[in-house]
Amino acid sequence: QQQVKQSPQSLIVQKGGISIINCAYENTAFDYFPWYQQFPGKGPALLIAIRPDVSEKKEGRFTISFNKSAKQFSLHIMDSQPGDSATYFCAASREYSGGGADGLTFGKGTHLIIQP
Amino acid sequence: DTEVTQTPKHLVMGMTNKKSLKCEQHMGHRAMYWYKQKAKKPPELMFVYSYEKLSINESVPSRFSPECPNSSLLNLHLHALQPEDSALYLCASSQELENTEAFFGQGTRLTVV
Repeated sequence: QQQVKQSPQSLIVQKGGISIINCAYENTAFDYFPWYQQFPGKGPALLIAIRPDVSEKKEGRFTISFNKSAKQFSLHIMDSQPGDSATYFCAASREYSGGGADGLTFGKGTHLIIQP
Repeated sequence: DTEVTQTPKHLVMGMTNKKSLKCEQHMGHRAMYWYKQKAKKPPELMFVYSYEKLSINESVPSRFSPECPNSSLLNLHLHALQPEDSALYLCASSQELENTEAFFGQGTRLTVV
């Protein structure tokens, strides 16, 4: 059972446009939602993360929008650049009631291509 | 310094070999993780260590054996692997287990022949 559903699987955006990637989760115990960027042959790099107590977080050109009632969150990349071409993963994790967490559950990823 | 260093970067091993993957971080993080990533797939959690103790083992076959010698080092010992174990093995660390930022290394590309 996939706990974090990510869409679209691939996305092509023109330079300067807005890239939007969506994720939905099922487990209401999730309370931490990061986005990772991964280039070929490299490890994932943390872009931005959000917790359910806020509906939006912005860092530079990257914005997370979070809808707790719909159990959805999305990544917006403003003024998309060719250097943003990569695979993007949303993820979620939860904290055990006794403390600790169980690592990250990833979405399947979105292959983003920014055309010059 | 937000670097997690993994060695080797590439590894080719036979099915009867024994090898080890190494991971090191000097950020003072107390949680360390091993993930496995197949091509065009997301990372999948294998093991979690917290304060040098194994916290989570996601039903990983015994041919994978993790070890945390100290708070900065994490090893993954490999023995009698199968070709389907070929993948990118990623190490990550976070300050604590409680949903803090997780930093990934560049991974070890493992090929089992």
